[in-house]
Amino acid sequence: DTEVTQTPKHLVMGMTNKKSLKCEQHMGHRAMYWYKQKAKKPPELMFVYSYEKLSINESVPSRFSPECPNSSLLNLHLHALQPEDSALYLCASSQGPGDYEQYFGPGTRLTVT
Amino acid sequence: QKEVEQNSGPLSVPEGAIASLNCTYSDRGSQSFFWYRQYSGKSPELIMSIYSNGDKEDGRFTAQLNKASQYVSLLIRDSQPSDSATYLCAVNAGAFNAGGTSYGKLTFGQGTILTVHP
Repeated sequence: DTEVTQTPKHLVMGMTNKKSLKCEQHMGHRAMYWYKQKAKKPPELMFVYSYEKLSINESVPSRFSPECPNSSLLNLHLHALQPEDSALYLCASSQGPGDYEQYFGPGTRLTVT
Repeated sequence: QKEVEQNSGPLSVPEGAIASLNCTYSDRGSQSFFWYRQYSGKSPELIMSIYSNGDKEDGRFTAQLNKASQYVSLLIRDSQPSDSATYLCAVNAGAFNAGGTSYGKLTFGQGTILTVHP
């Protein structure tokens, strides 16, 4: 089973709101990722968690705050977003932090108004 | 800057034909290569991974890797209308933290839109 789940599927938020995106995997994977994908563009890496520790932050603005409560869960906390942050946010996981296959969840489509 | 280039497309093939998707990458140190299929409005789905030079076959899909030429391709045999999607080539080019440890970072090509017409 290579399933990664994400909630919510869709989210509309104002620029002053605080919201959170959630991701869960039960494959025993030890690396989890957040990607952002704009329309007609490929996914871009935001964060990498390895063994529940933040390992890579790709210079993402502080209005995006990741959290890894345990080995199965990954959250992305959103605050004071801009309209240009509207995108598909994808969570992925892999067996480990190296050259492993990454499996994506269905994504959360975020619209910032 | 590490880059991944795909044939621009869009690519249109008749049902039953072979679709050929190509990808080149700039980082000679890359070790793992992936093909993802993405239907419109959906997330990327992993369809093939390849780590060694040569061919790897899985059903109607064959991935080919040539590290000397920095080239990876995907062949889809007996193409079906359900294969119509955007195909993303991804290369694990590595991302390094402050301690110098490498973590998986997929660098994607821009994607090739494939249409299989009946």
